Amino acid sequence: GNSVTQMEGPVTLSEEAFLTINCTYTATGYPSLFWYVQYPGEGLQLLLKATKADDKGSNKGFEATYRKETTSFHLEKGSVQVSDSAVYFCALSDRGGSEKLVFGKGTKLTVNP
Amino acid sequence: DAGITQSPRYKITETGRQVTLMCHQTWSHSYMFWYRQDLGHGLRLIYYSAAADITDKGEVPDGYVVSRSKTENFPLTLESATRSQTSVYFCASSPRAVLDYEQYFGPGTRLTVT
Repeated sequence: GNSVTQMEGPVTLSEEAFLTINCTYTATGYPSLFWYVQYPGEGLQLLLKATKADDKGSNKGFEATYRKETTSFHLEKGSVQVSDSAVYFCALSDRGGSEKLVFGKGTKLTVNP
Repeated sequence: DAGITQSPRYKITETGRQVTLMCHQTWSHSYMFWYRQDLGHGLRLIYYSAAADITDKGEVPDGYVVSRSKTENFPLTLESATRSQTSVYFCASSPRAVLDYEQYFGPGTRLTVT
């Protein structure tokens, strides 16, 4: 079945450090890929998405490239801020007809000043 | 208020009690979803609905019941609450099949079963 694997957290960085959160997936068909972010005490919100191979999603300084050859969608940001502290979820939806998203377990990021 | 709301935000109940979590969205989105969030498991889909009067099971449906008589509402009922159902519950909606469309999440309900 479809699945998403994220790097284990928590991740702790200093402000202005480079961030990478790894995400790999297993899917039938041609999934769309998403990164969602959950700030403390809130629901999830979409951060970025990519719908086909080699697409790059970007938002708020975050980027992720859909790599079909490595089945990956790693999240990166060149310089993190304290306000980026949150839990990040990688997810996929399967174009094979499912209406559902499959989420990874989430990676908690803490950015210290 | 526009958007997706959940009530109550916090609930403490006893084992064996019935409890209903409410979800309301103002966008007339066709699709609605219920997830539970537990440490070490991420988000797991409980039930989802493609339209009024159409519901289907997700990954962890046992012990839960849903209904969708109106497009905007999607209540989740725990018929006889158990401690293992202590969790944070999120409702979400989407305008179409989620393939390329984002899901919009509510703020969550923290449920504790004692």
